[in-house]
Parts: sequence; C-alpha cells; structure tokens
Amino acid sequence: EIVLTQSPGTLSLSPGERATLSCRASQSVISDYLAWYQQKPGQAPRLLIYAASSRAPGIPARFSGSGSGATFTLTINRLEPEDFAVYYCQQYSKPPPMFTFGQGTKLEI
Amino acid sequence: QVQLQESGPGLVRPSGTLSLTCGVSGGSITSTNWWSWVRQPPGKGLEWIGEIYHNGDTNYNPSLKSRVTILKDISRNQLSLILNSVTAADTAVYYCVREYSSSWPSYDIWGRGTMVTVSS
Repeated sequence: EIVLTQSPGTLSLSPGERATLSCRASQSVISDYLAWYQQKPGQAPRLLIYAASSRAPGIPARFSGSGSGATFTLTINRLEPEDFAVYYCQQYSKPPPMFTFGQGTKLEI
Repeated sequence: QVQLQESGPGLVRPSGTLSLTCGVSGGSITSTNWWSWVRQPPGKGLEWIGEIYHNGDTNYNPSLKSRVTILKDISRNQLSLILNSVTAADTAVYYCVREYSSSWPSYDIWGRGTMVTVSS
C-alpha cells in the first residue's frame, strides 16, 4: 500500500499570500493517478486537481498542481478567504486497485 | 447534474451490520463510471472503502474486504454498502462518490455524507 504524507500539518497564512502544500508518497505514483481535494467544515470534499496538474471543472486558476514520481505540490496563489480549509491528496494504485489519501493539511488564517 | 444522496440508520450496535444506500439522481448508475464509498471518522482523514463498476465488478480496501459488500440496484438507480461486525472504529461519516474517469481515478461528485455511530 502506498502511503501519502502531507506537509505541513497546518499552514498559517493571510489572504493574498501564496500557499504551497506538499504530498510525498512512499513509492512512485503515476501522475495521472494523483488528485487533490478541498474540504470545509461540515462539507464533503471537493475535487480541485486530477492527474496531478489538471484543474477540475469550475476550479479557479489560482489553484495549480505539479509534481511527479513521489513528490507532488498544490499551490494556491493569492489566497482568498474561502480558501481556508483542509486539503487532501489522493492516489490510486494497482494491483490490487487501491485508493489512499494523505492525512490532510489544514490551511488557516 | 448527477447528485448522490446517502441514507441509512445513524446508530448501529457493536457487532451488528451497517447498511447504507446511495440514491443517484440526474444520471444512471449504469453509466461507465466506478462508484465508491469513502468514510471519514470524526476529526480524522478519508478512507476508501471500495468501489463497484457498471458491470458489477467490485474492488475493496484490503483492510475491510472481509467485512464489506457493495451492491447496485439498477431498477432503483442506487448503490448500497453493507459492513458486517462493526465496532466503534467504524464510526464515521460515510460518503457515496462517483469516479471522474477511469483514466484519472479521482472523485468529482460526492454525496453530502451520512454520519453513522457504532454504540450500544
């Protein structure tokens, strides 16, 4: 099983700043199989990025994903107040088919 | 616009069986998508439970495989999750989700989730 480790655990920033969130895998991940989600309190997660760097429909351009192999990054430019939330990375691997999530990074003001 | 709605008992006794359903609206469960269940214990991260394809193929998290079954009911356009021999560790919000694409395995549509507590 591939383990995803996200860092930092908590990131404290202000609106207008840039956030850089890291996701490291215990072994190489196929880039097409790496995704990022945003979750706000009391809500279901929302897909932000799929295939490591492709924005999901409706996601603002300030969100971008990058990386390959075992190291991936989610960057949020010019933070908006609504961006403060928990972010998860997720990977898919096979065989056998398996999805795993990172433990999350809390982005706080 | 596809929407998912989970439903089921909010309280299950230890050693009992957790049974949830997920109604799919705005789309068909027979579409060429994988449909999954994901759970989230209170204050913790996300855990994949398993998935089912339109042809009935299933895959499960190895850590839960001995206790879990995912089914689909085409006539009702819904999924179901059955988890046996539950313990307090199974207390979580359970989400029904749709896979965006088998080429880019990720989840673009989520239900609102349903909280299940395992307690006597």
